Amino acid sequence: EVQLLESGGGLVQPGGSLRLSCGVSGFTLSSRSMSWVRQAPGKGLEWVSAISGSDGSTYYADSVKGRFTISRDNSKNTLYLQMNSLRVEDTAVYYCAKGGDYEYWGQGSLVTVSS
Amino acid sequence: EVVLTQSPPTLSLSPGDRATLSCRASESVGTYLGWYQQRPGQAPRLLIYEASNRATGIPTRFSGSGSGTDFTLTISSLEPEDFAVYYCQQRSRWPRTFGRGTKVAIK
Repeated sequence: EVQLLESGGGLVQPGGSLRLSCGVSGFTLSSRSMSWVRQAPGKGLEWVSAISGSDGSTYYADSVKGRFTISRDNSKNTLYLQMNSLRVEDTAVYYCAKGGDYEYWGQGSLVTVSS
Repeated sequence: EVVLTQSPPTLSLSPGDRATLSCRASESVGTYLGWYQQRPGQAPRLLIYEASNRATGIPTRFSGSGSGTDFTLTISSLEPEDFAVYYCQQRSRWPRTFGRGTKVAIK
C-alpha cells in the first residue's frame, strides 16, 4: 500500500527556515517523480516544486525559486523541501504527491510564517 | 506559464443531477491534464489523468474529455459525497499549474 507522510511543519518567523519531510512507503522513491503542492488558508492549490524520478532534475515555481530546495534520500525513502527566507505569503498546508499525475497525496503539513 | 481557467466558480446542484465542469488552458497542453477532487479538511484526490482516464478506484460516474485547450469533467449523477471542490492541473509544461477550482455545492 502506497503511503506518504509529511512532517516538519510549524510556526516560523519571517526570514526563517524550515525543512519539510515526506516519508514514503509502498514504492521505490528513486523510480518516481515527486512534487510539493501547497494550499494557503481558504485558497486553491499551488504547485511548488518537483524532482524527476529518472535523473533527479528539479523544478520550482517562480514564487519559491532561489529560496526553496527539493531533494530526496532514497536510502531513507524520504523527500524533503528545504525552505529558506520564509515569507508571510508562504503560510500554507504543504502536500507531497507521487508521480507525474499526483496519483497519491500525503495528508499535509501546516507551515505558518508569522511574527 | 499555462493559465487554466475553470468555470463556473460555483455550481449549485441537487443529488442525482448531472454536473459539467469546464477547464480551459491558455495554450495547448495536449492531453496532459488531470482533475482532482478535494473535500473539506482532506487532501486532494486524483480523479482523471491524461484528460480522460479514470484513476484507480474512481467510480464510473466520473468522466473526462477534451484535448488541446478545452477540457470537461462530467459527473453523471451526483452522489452526496461528490459535493466538493474540483481542480484541473496541467503537466504539459513547467511550471505546473492548477486552475482556481470549481465548487460543486448543494442546491
